[in-house]
Amino acid sequence: EIVLTQSPDSLALSLGERATINCKTSQSVLHSSNNMYALNWFRQKSGQPPELLIYWANNRESGVPDRFSGSGSGTDFTLTISSLQAEDVAVYYCHQFDNTPPTFGQGTRVEIK
Amino acid sequence: EVQLVESGGALTKPGGSLRLSCAASGFTFSETWMSWVRQGSGKGLEWVGRIKRKADGEIKDYAAPVRGRFTISRDDSESMLYLQMNNLKMEDTAVYFCVTGLGKGDLDYWGQGTLVTVSS
Repeated sequence: EIVLTQSPDSLALSLGERATINCKTSQSVLHSSNNMYALNWFRQKSGQPPELLIYWANNRESGVPDRFSGSGSGTDFTLTISSLQAEDVAVYYCHQFDNTPPTFGQGTRVEIK
Repeated sequence: EVQLVESGGALTKPGGSLRLSCAASGFTFSETWMSWVRQGSGKGLEWVGRIKRKADGEIKDYAAPVRGRFTISRDDSESMLYLQMNNLKMEDTAVYFCVTGLGKGDLDYWGQGTLVTVSS
């Protein structure tokens, strides 16, 4: 099983600040079928199901604001929120689907300071 | 519009059984892999299992904690996904989400979830 470790566990920033969330995978999640990283990012607001933000490591889902971006390669990936907004308060999860069982990071809670 | 609507969650005793259902619409159900993911109160996301489409042999995979107790099935004619849960344990208490992948991964769209509580 591939283990995903997110850092930090939580962060509190002021409105407009840059938020950076890291996700380290215990082994490569490079998908052999398309040579892309099988690593997605989800946002989960309180009381709601997760919603897809970033897919295949660096592709923004339709409708997601462009302040959200994903990057990374190898076993290190990053979700960046360039300018934190009030509506970004949530828990963020990385997720790998290259290997069975699919696994999630433990989550990073983002709050406004 | 993709819609996934779960039902069947309830309060049950340890050792009991429950069957969850998920009604899907807005996409070609028979062509997609379907998954169940759960989340305990205040906890993270935990993948439960998956059923592939018929063209891929309807292969089923399960997470280790539920293997042998849970069974996933599908009815493509009705666009329905099911999760039969037997010998339930207190640690199975969670919100169960029905999820599908439509090309951007395996978990692109999520239902609202249904709550299963296992308690004596």
